[in-house]
Amino acid sequence: DTAVSQTPKYLVTQMGNDKSIKCEQNLGHDTMYWYKQDSKKFLKIMFSYNNKELIINETVPNRFSPKSPDKAHLNLHINSLELGDSAVYFCASSQDPSSLGGYTFGSGTRLTVV
Amino acid sequence: DAKTTQPPSMDCAEGRAANLPCNHSTISGNEYVYWYRQIHSQGPQYIIHGLKNNETNEMASLIITEDRKSSTLILPHATLRDTAVYYCIVRVAGAQKLVFGQGTRLTINP
Repeated sequence: DTAVSQTPKYLVTQMGNDKSIKCEQNLGHDTMYWYKQDSKKFLKIMFSYNNKELIINETVPNRFSPKSPDKAHLNLHINSLELGDSAVYFCASSQDPSSLGGYTFGSGTRLTVV
Repeated sequence: DAKTTQPPSMDCAEGRAANLPCNHSTISGNEYVYWYRQIHSQGPQYIIHGLKNNETNEMASLIITEDRKSSTLILPHATLRDTAVYYCIVRVAGAQKLVFGQGTRLTINP
């Protein structure tokens, strides 16, 4: 039973399109995150939600809009996709925002914008 | 959070202990040392963390120097499946995010 699951695993789309990536965790964690890993393999946090409330927004373009319908789900919607959005997007969760325990990551969504 | 410095790459023979160093000379008293790894095409995986005492779990051991300015992650009997990028992260207690650096690419050779 996957702890943090993301769908889809791969996403190929044209510039200008709008797409969504879904994430669900079954760990009972309160906090969820979106990270982006670019072509240089640098992992950078984008957003963090705690109990459905946004707590971190790392200067991400407005075209990216996270939505948390409940604390087990954090979806990422991207409008007007650009070539530079091509990356692997990872969802993660933790017990709470400042938990000393580890984060659990999903297996990633590879987004390719053509 | 304090900055960390890791070698960009390392090699280790299968079955040997892999010792991955990390420098964090500006670490402060309330900052923890975390280790994660990322196997190719997978999400990062938590390994271990510590404050000042050495820690051991089923995956690895973490040795932190007495002055806390550096640490070593030890994989006691490396296998081919341990080939991954290993990230050493320093995180202040109460911080609401985890910040990744460039990590060390560890290759386990048969």
